[in-house]
Amino acid sequence: AQKITQTQPGMFVQEKEAVTLDCTYDTSDPSYGLFWYKQPSSGEMIFLIYQGSYDQQNATEGRYSLNFQKARKSANLVISASQLGDSAMYFCAMRDLTGTASKLTFGTGTRLQVTL
Amino acid sequence: DSGVTQTPKHLITATGQRVTLRCSPRSGDLSVYWYQQSLDQGLQFLIQYYNGEERAKGNILERFSAQQFPDLHSELNLSSLELGDSALYFCASSAGTAHNQPQHFGDGTRLSIL
Repeated sequence: AQKITQTQPGMFVQEKEAVTLDCTYDTSDPSYGLFWYKQPSSGEMIFLIYQGSYDQQNATEGRYSLNFQKARKSANLVISASQLGDSAMYFCAMRDLTGTASKLTFGTGTRLQVTL
Repeated sequence: DSGVTQTPKHLITATGQRVTLRCSPRSGDLSVYWYQQSLDQGLQFLIQYYNGEERAKGNILERFSAQQFPDLHSELNLSSLELGDSALYFCASSAGTAHNQPQHFGDGTRLSIL
């Protein structure tokens, strides 16, 4: 069974600083995708970044980058130059293919608070 | 804006009642997923449809059912509601089922059972 672990329930970061949100995963499938989503206090789920299990390079999307270490089964999210609007819950998720199913398995999330 | 539309945004009802949540996927997306987010269970996958056919079931109760219509919109039906069904219900869609295709989420329907 697939499992996502986010060990940081809450994190604080000062504005304009970088922050790393940890994510480790467990799967026996050779092919899978890793995703990060942001959930502001308003509740919607916003897709941030994707990393494929066979991708050689770490994914980047603007101020977001993913530190993918396959051997360690970790996929940490790095947010550079934090902004007040980055304050939200962040979820790591994994998608794998089991037959014809394609669900996301989520971690428990990390609440990020950006301070002045 | 993800392009996924969920209605209603909020729903307040009583125990024992039945409700229907509606989802319109992004234009062109054939896959629809339903998730439940609650304080004690976190984000849980309920069910997946692809082009009108059920593809996978997760932790979906027998009191819950869903379907995807020919125009690709989907409905999640919740019956004999209990207090524990109070949660945020998300619909997500993706173009297909490949693992490199992100699922785009709607804003959710917040269900409160009184």
